Amino acid sequence: GENVEQHPSTLSVQEGDSAVIKCTYSDSASNYFPWYKQELGKRPQLIIDIRSNVGEKKDQRIAVTLNKTAKHFSLHITETQPEDSAVYFCAATGTASKLTFGTGTRLQVTL
Amino acid sequence: DAGVTQSPTHLIKTRGQQVTLRCSPISGHKSVSWYQQVLGQGPQFIFQYYEKEERGRGNFPDRFSARQFPNYSSELNVNALLLGDSALYLCASSLVGGKYEQYFGPGTRLTVT
Repeated sequence: GENVEQHPSTLSVQEGDSAVIKCTYSDSASNYFPWYKQELGKRPQLIIDIRSNVGEKKDQRIAVTLNKTAKHFSLHITETQPEDSAVYFCAATGTASKLTFGTGTRLQVTL
Repeated sequence: DAGVTQSPTHLIKTRGQQVTLRCSPISGHKSVSWYQQVLGQGPQFIFQYYEKEERGRGNFPDRFSARQFPNYSSELNVNALLLGDSALYLCASSLVGGKYEQYFGPGTRLTVT
């Protein structure tokens, strides 16, 4: 089955800096890659996603890139703000049509 | 615009008991997936239902079962509860299934004592 690895597990940046979170997947048939943000005690919130026919997607300060050959995808957050502090999860959908999540990255944006 | 709803919010059960969790998807969505999230980990896939049929099952024991109703709402049942079943149970709603956007409900926090 699909296996998703996520790095780093924790990330601390200063306000205004950029943050990058990286994920790798194992199933070459995976074709949908969402990213979720989860604040403490709240539900995971879909923030951006990308499909395998696209190499990059951007939404304001958030962007996701996908390298199908290397089987990895990354989340980029620019101009980070304190409200970006949360746990971020990457996920992939393989042949089984289910979401397999990474282990999460705790992002802390300091003033 | 109502989002995904789940009930109850919190639940405390004793080992060996049975529990039923409920989920109502976003209006117009026909697929519901269930996930278990243990503290500090990512959600783990349990079931996916689409048009009342099971479309996927994760690596969970037969104590876990689910169903989807004609109105697309869903129930997750867990029998013979173990301490290790303590977790946040999340329901996700999507239009047609796993390869499309999934939106999560607030979850049910289950504590097994």
